[in-house]
Amino acid sequence: ETGVTQTPRHLVMGMTNKKSLKCEQHLGHNAMYWYKQSAKKPLELMFVYSLEERVENNSVPSRFSPECPNSSHLFLHLHTLQPEDSALYLCASSQGRGYEQYFGPGTRLTVT
Amino acid sequence: RKEVEQDPGPFNVPEGATVAFNCTYSNSASQSFFWYRQDCRKEPKLLMSVYSSGNEDGRFTAQLNRASQYISLLIRDSKLSDSATYLCVIHRSGNTGKLIFGQGTTLQVKP
Repeated sequence: ETGVTQTPRHLVMGMTNKKSLKCEQHLGHNAMYWYKQSAKKPLELMFVYSLEERVENNSVPSRFSPECPNSSHLFLHLHTLQPEDSALYLCASSQGRGYEQYFGPGTRLTVT
Repeated sequence: RKEVEQDPGPFNVPEGATVAFNCTYSNSASQSFFWYRQDCRKEPKLLMSVYSSGNEDGRFTAQLNRASQYISLLIRDSKLSDSATYLCVIHRSGNTGKLIFGQGTTLQVKP
C-alpha cells in the first residue's frame, strides 16, 4: 500500500451505534489530520496530530473522539452521532505542520 | 469575510481554451499557498504549490501576488480531464499546520 489509506470507504450507522474510522499513512509523515466535508461546503478541519500529540481540536463535538497511537495511524471514534454528521470524512498527512497535505480517499458516512 | 475566497463558478470552457482562476486571501501573514484539485466525490489531490516567483508545471501556471493578496492558476490547452473543482489553500505562519481551504472553483471543459 502506498500513500494514505482509509477504511471503511462507506459506512451507514444508526444514531445509537459506535463505530471507528481508520487512517494509515505510508509516507513517513509526522503530522496527521481529520477533515469533514459536507455537501457544497469547504473542507472543515477537525483535528491535527503532530508527532502523535493532538495540537488542535477545532471545536468538534465530543461524539467524535480521535486517537493517534503512532505516527502512521489515526482513528476517529464515533458514538451517538446525529444525521447532520453525515458527510465525507477525510484523513490527511504531511511531512510537518504547514507542508502540503496528502489525502486519503475518505469515508462516506451516513447517519440514519 | 471568508479567509480564502474563490469564485465558485462553474466555468464552462471548450477544449483547448485557456482558463484562469483567482483566489484572494485576507490574512497577510499567510505563508504557504497551494492549489488542489478535487474530482466529484473524491479526495482533494495536490496540484501544485505556489511559489513567490511563480511556477509552471506543464499546462499549469501558478502565480502569487503578495501585495494584492491573491494567487492565480492558469490552465492552457484545456482537456476534458481537467474538469474538476480547484481548491485554493493557504497556510498561515505560526499556525499549528492548519490549512485553510477555499470553497473551490468548478471547471467544466466541453468537447
